[in-house]
Amino acid sequence: TQLLEQSPQFLSIQEGENLTVYCNSSSVFSSLQWYRQEPGEGPVLLVTVVTGGEVKKLKRLTFQFGDARKDSSLHITAAQPGDTGLYLCAGESTSGTYKYIFGTGTRLKVLA
Amino acid sequence: KAGVTQTPRYLIKTRGQQVTLSCSPISGHRSVSWYQQTPGQGLQFLFEYFSETQRNKGNFPGRFSGRQFSNSRSEMNVSTLELGDSALYLCASSTRTGAYEQYFGPGTRLTVT
Repeated sequence: TQLLEQSPQFLSIQEGENLTVYCNSSSVFSSLQWYRQEPGEGPVLLVTVVTGGEVKKLKRLTFQFGDARKDSSLHITAAQPGDTGLYLCAGESTSGTYKYIFGTGTRLKVLA
Repeated sequence: KAGVTQTPRYLIKTRGQQVTLSCSPISGHRSVSWYQQTPGQGLQFLFEYFSETQRNKGNFPGRFSGRQFSNSRSEMNVSTLELGDSALYLCASSTRTGAYEQYFGPGTRLTVT
């Protein structure tokens, strides 16, 4: 079974703190996406990383794809209450029947 | 461009009944995927349709089925509902070109009593 394990599962921090969310797998992915989901809504695409070692920045969010394309991280600088939500990584594996899988999710709460 | 729309947003059904959910993708997107989201299992892939053909299928029983029409709109059907089918059902559309980026609708919240 292909899995995308995210850590931590839950994170509660104060406004202004930095944090990193990890997304790991034993499988190689052709690309990885990060999404943010708010209660009662569908996930919203934040970024796609394609090349091993790639780093992408989206304002205070920095995304990195591992060199071997098996893992990814999301770093948030100076978190704000508006960053609160469920963060999901997802990817299309290069092998297996069910090609597109979602990570286990990281629920972030930023306190004002 | 209009986003992905799903109808209805909320639904309450009784065990044993069947239900049909509808999804209209972003204009020009030919791929539509369906997911089930529950607190315990997270987001699980149901199936993907591309140009009216089922392209991929997840590990769900045959009670879950879907179809896609020539205008790329898709429907998902669940027959003989069980309590465990209570979940948020999400539809996502994609162009399926380049990296597989999906755009999600707001979901249909199904409650089975």
